[in-house]
Amino acid sequence: EADIYQTPRYLVIGTGKKITLECSQTMGHDKMYWYQQDPGMELHLIHYSYGVNSTEKGDLSSESTVSRIRTEHFPLTLESARPSHTSQYLCASSESSGYYGYTFGSGTRLTVV
Amino acid sequence: ILNVEQSPQSLHVQEGDSTNFTCSFPSSNFYALHWYRWETAKSPEALFVMTLNGDEKKKGRISATLNTKEGYSYLYIKGSQPEDSATYLCAFEPYNQGGKLIFGQGTELSVKP
Repeated sequence: EADIYQTPRYLVIGTGKKITLECSQTMGHDKMYWYQQDPGMELHLIHYSYGVNSTEKGDLSSESTVSRIRTEHFPLTLESARPSHTSQYLCASSESSGYYGYTFGSGTRLTVV
Repeated sequence: ILNVEQSPQSLHVQEGDSTNFTCSFPSSNFYALHWYRWETAKSPEALFVMTLNGDEKKKGRISATLNTKEGYSYLYIKGSQPEDSATYLCAFEPYNQGGKLIFGQGTELSVKP
């Protein structure tokens, strides 16, 4: 039973389209994260949030933006998709203590054609 | 730039074999070391979060050790089973970085019946 939900699982979209990847969690976690993974590469942090109205960019530069208007919801938006955005995007959340590690969503595999 | 290295990149073993992987991480600014299991088409799942030098944790047939002074952790699987087939990720959590993780590339384990 998933406590963090990502939609869609797969998305193929044309260049120039605006897309929003959804991420919601039901655990009341304050901390939420977006990671990007290119094939054969590590997960890289692109955005994080420590609570409502708090968002920061991660270590890997990304043209995407995020918002955190509600504790449970942390969507990621690309205003104009490009082939270079083709990747897997994973959402995660954690308790403030971090003792139990991250809870991950199932990921969105994005292909921009 | 903080690097987390995992070896080997992939491993193929027979059912019943015991196996181990290595994770190397920076020995300075250490807060925690995480291990995750990522099965195909599923979400990464937290196995262990380790914080103390010399820590050893165990979950069923899987165990992990931690050496923060030299910057490495081992993950052991005793008597591998086909259901252990997955990618095993380690992640370094630096001190005072709000829970952000730096991931290694993972070790892909395949267990043949």
